[in-house]
Amino acid sequence: NAGVTQTPKFRVLKTGQSMTLLCAQDMNHEYMYWYRQDPGMGLRLIHYSVGEGTTAKGEVPDGYNVSRLKKQNFLLGLESAAPSQTSVYFCASSSSGLRQETQYFGPGTRLLVL
Amino acid sequence: GENVEQHPSTLSVQEGDSAVIKCTYSDSASNYFPWYKQELGKGPQLIIDIRSNVGEKKDQRIAVTLNKTAKHFSLHITETQPEDSAVYFCAASINNDMRFGAGTRLTVKP
Repeated sequence: NAGVTQTPKFRVLKTGQSMTLLCAQDMNHEYMYWYRQDPGMGLRLIHYSVGEGTTAKGEVPDGYNVSRLKKQNFLLGLESAAPSQTSVYFCASSSSGLRQETQYFGPGTRLLVL
Repeated sequence: GENVEQHPSTLSVQEGDSAVIKCTYSDSASNYFPWYKQELGKGPQLIIDIRSNVGEKKDQRIAVTLNKTAKHFSLHITETQPEDSAVYFCAASINNDMRFGAGTRLTVKP
């Protein structure tokens, strides 16, 4: 049981390039989330999904797209990267039901946009 | 939307002392308040949580208190140890929309 895993761990992009971050969970969780973490600002929710085939905007969705084609995977895409998207990205998942608020986080992806 | 403020931003204590971190939230509809510990290079890990129908919860050396009227909640760590050194985040949640505080860097000096 690996929990929540993220790929890649670290990436450097040039402004304007695109990339996809992959999140996978093996806990059969319904809900998945993408956050970004910047110094002095805690974690901010980018997008989330409450089930396969569904996505919704969070607090800071601009410049990002997501897809949830399979229950265990949640992809975060940057179509045209900007320096302001330099950050550490965390994926999380949670189950439905009584403990649905308890989120389990992956190890993070560090992204540098030059 | 919900706004969570966390204080202090840094906290240094001597091993064995207690540490207290405080958070306030703005939306009275928030009903779930977790605390996460983040070690260097790792993702946040849940250490304790409390729901709006409970005023206090304790788990060994860690306790959380919630004052719904004043809209603030606190994390208390007793008998601190060097391995408690990390960044701690509070959060407030409504229907899976979780907002985090900016974090507190706790250093426990041996």
